[in-house]
Amino acid sequence: EVQLLESGGDLVQPGRSLILSCAASGFTFNRDAMTWVRQAPGKGLEWVSFISGDGGGKYYADSVKGRFIISRDNSKNTVYLQLNTLRAEDTATYYCAKGRGDTSSYESWGQGTLVTVSS
Amino acid sequence: EIVLTQSPATLSLSPGQRVILSCRASQSVSSYLAWYQQKPGQAPRLLIYDASNRATGIPARFSGSGSGTDFTLTVSSLEPEDFAVYYCQQRRDWPITFGQGTRLEIK
Repeated sequence: EVQLLESGGDLVQPGRSLILSCAASGFTFNRDAMTWVRQAPGKGLEWVSFISGDGGGKYYADSVKGRFIISRDNSKNTVYLQLNTLRAEDTATYYCAKGRGDTSSYESWGQGTLVTVSS
Repeated sequence: EIVLTQSPATLSLSPGQRVILSCRASQSVSSYLAWYQQKPGQAPRLLIYDASNRATGIPARFSGSGSGTDFTLTVSSLEPEDFAVYYCQQRRDWPITFGQGTRLEIK
């Protein structure tokens, strides 16, 4: 059974940084791409970032490009999202997700971790 | 960026009724469209992938159709647990995008 467990969410001041982690189990981690999706309170889903299984391919939403960095450690079965220069509009629950096969149809999701950006 | 527009924004229906939700893309996404269900306090759940394929464990009352720019999600007979928010999502092109959601409420 695939399990994804996010951690690292916190209350942070604008302009500060935070690192989110997603620990994965139940599948061959280094073969599968991973994705971060976020959801602001009471709002819809927003795709944030993608990383390929070997870490060589990365994509970002325009809203976070240049501020967020996705990475992975396949020896630890963990994907990370470094959030820099945080803004109030980054306040959201951040989910990590795994696609079905090598696709971006997300069949497995974590429970989410809440990031609140406020002074 | 491919924009997905879902309609209606909100629907109020009763259990047992049939419902059709719409998702329209600003340009062709071929069949690379998925549907998700999300309940309060929960992560989204994949219902349909590649326009018409039910994900593992999804009841047969859920079905998807369409290709190109126009897609629908049909629930043939609503169960009480189906009242939730539904999102469509395209994977045809980067960035991946989601629709704004349709809220299905109990009448």
